[in-house]
Amino acid sequence: GAGVSQSPRYKVAKRGQDVALRCDPISGHVSLFWYQQALGQGPEFLTYFQNEAQLDKSGLPSDRFFAERPEGSVSTLKIQRTQQEDSAVYLCASSLVPGPDPYSNQPQHFGDGTRLSIL
Amino acid sequence: SQKIEQNSEALNIQEGKTATLTCNYTNYSPAYLQWYRQDPGRGPVFLLLIRENEKEKRKERLKVTFDTTLKQSLFHITASQPADSATYLCGRSNTGKLIFGQGTTLQVKP
Repeated sequence: GAGVSQSPRYKVAKRGQDVALRCDPISGHVSLFWYQQALGQGPEFLTYFQNEAQLDKSGLPSDRFFAERPEGSVSTLKIQRTQQEDSAVYLCASSLVPGPDPYSNQPQHFGDGTRLSIL
Repeated sequence: SQKIEQNSEALNIQEGKTATLTCNYTNYSPAYLQWYRQDPGRGPVFLLLIRENEKEKRKERLKVTFDTTLKQSLFHITASQPADSATYLCGRSNTGKLIFGQGTTLQVKP
């Protein structure tokens, strides 16, 4: 497809289970981002990839959260030993690489997210 | 810490009026700000980007201003329509990742 695709759209898991969320970015987009969005709040940054390199993981809330993008395209966000506070919408976004101008930027293209509910 | 603040109260206006949404930032001067629209159950959709050396940016019925003295960006929708009802997010980025405000929900009544 032409947009960012995320799967599954909904995921229900029991506390303590591991979950894996998938993101297919727009073809040719080098940058990939993961965000977490709580109800009624704006998205919060989790981690950033440029190709297969994870350049920033400062937003990951704990070592239970792990993201990878081994071939520089599809990315997976994994949450181990899930807890109730992990319940949120997880958004993936992709963009073209920012240019050499430090003030340049590209808009981000978001998927529709995975709604994760931990029981 | 670097913060983006948006009015968390919903904005209700009548169709045809101009909607104005506010985005304030503290503790830093972002190189640029981005505005996104988010509908329920969907991901944010990019609308406009404005750089710090730009006072104003327009796109069809949308206008964004950037006032570095007031540390504020205003987002205007002229001739508003019920289809403009959504949550609008302001975000700043200097290094690629976006830091968003909490969003303002706009309701346009026919």
